Amino acid sequence: AQSVSQHNHHVILSEAASLELGCNYSYGGTVNLFWYVQYPGQHLQLLLKYFSGDPLVKGIKGFEAEFIKSKFSFNLRKPSVQWSDTAEYFCAVSFSSNTGKLIFGQGTTLQVKP
Amino acid sequence: DAGVTQSPTHLIKTRGQQVTLRCSPKSGHDTVSWYQQALGQGPQFIFQYYEEEERQRGNFPDRFSGHQFPNYSSELNVNALLLGDSALYLCASSLRAANGYTFGSGTRLTVV
Repeated sequence: AQSVSQHNHHVILSEAASLELGCNYSYGGTVNLFWYVQYPGQHLQLLLKYFSGDPLVKGIKGFEAEFIKSKFSFNLRKPSVQWSDTAEYFCAVSFSSNTGKLIFGQGTTLQVKP
Repeated sequence: DAGVTQSPTHLIKTRGQQVTLRCSPKSGHDTVSWYQQALGQGPQFIFQYYEEEERQRGNFPDRFSGHQFPNYSSELNVNALLLGDSALYLCASSLRAANGYTFGSGTRLTVV
């Protein structure tokens, strides 16, 4: 079955620390990849997306993600986190056989300590 | 502002009742998808509407049904509510079935 897994469920960092959140998916075909963020009390917002081309994708707020096809991974990174990055982060994938449907990972709660 | 408007924001229903949730897509979008997000979980795809027809469906029972209107707005109906239907229901819109959906803030449904 098509699935998405996020390895870290709860991450706690101090401000200025570097961040990497893991995301792997189960399917070997063509995929579109997304990272969404959900700040407390707010709606899901798109951080970045990958459809094709350069596997290193830059998004908003200093986030970036790298698509590694051989590892079925799309990890999210940020060199230096801020307290305002405290939120829940979701990796999502749409598979070529089902482009209208997003499959989400379980989410990672990031807590940044000031 | 999410661009996608959902109503109501919160709702409490009793087991066995029926509920209708509403979604207005972002201006210029014509495709609407519905997701269920249980506490501590990622959103789960319910179904997608395009050109007033259900185009795709996730693994949800027939108690979950929907509709899309000519103005692209959509409704999600759930019959015979169960306690397990308590969740945040999210609407997402896009242009055609292209990816990069815009999500609404959701409707928090509590079934008691």
